[in-house]
Amino acid sequence: DTEVTQTPKHLVMGMTNKKSLKCEQHMGHRAMYWYKQKAKKPPELMFVYSYEKLSINESVPSRFSPECPNSSLLNLHLHALQPEDSALYLCASSQAPWPSDEQFFGPGTRLTVL
Amino acid sequence: RKEVEQDPGPFNVPEGATVAFNCTYSNSASQSFFWYRQDCRKEPKLLMSVYSSGNEDGRFTAQLNRASQYISLLIRDSKLSDSATYLCVPRDRGGKLIFGQGTELSVKP
Repeated sequence: DTEVTQTPKHLVMGMTNKKSLKCEQHMGHRAMYWYKQKAKKPPELMFVYSYEKLSINESVPSRFSPECPNSSLLNLHLHALQPEDSALYLCASSQAPWPSDEQFFGPGTRLTVL
Repeated sequence: RKEVEQDPGPFNVPEGATVAFNCTYSNSASQSFFWYRQDCRKEPKLLMSVYSSGNEDGRFTAQLNRASQYISLLIRDSKLSDSATYLCVPRDRGGKLIFGQGTELSVKP
């Protein structure tokens, strides 16, 4: 079962709010990813966790804070976001972070920052 | 130069048509290659990996030419349900997916 789940599906938040996005997979994958996708654009990589350790941070502002509590879960904590951060946030996972491994995406959280 | 360049699209084709998408990538060290499809307001879904020898999955055929740094996707007998944006995605040595801008396909009855 190649399934990655994400909650919530939609999120509206103010610029002073703190919220978290959650991602879960039960495929035994050891690499998990956060992407941001704006309308009509391809996904942009934000973070990579490999064996529960942060291995790539694509110069993402500190108002986005990732967390990997265990091998199945990935969170993205949001604080003091800006309206331009409104986007679709996608989580993905792969068996390991090797180039040949296929990445499977969750359905995403559509975030609106007011 | 963009890391991944795809046909700008959109492609509007009738049902049953054969359609080909082209893609070039700039990083010669790219290790593996994928085609994803993305429906409007949905997540990208893996369509197929692309192997050096070329590979086929039903109506879909993918080709890779490493020397030319070129990837293609051929869809035969297109269906209405094939309407989506097709993303060409090399992956670099570090495991990072490099997404192209995508080519939109619209299959009409």
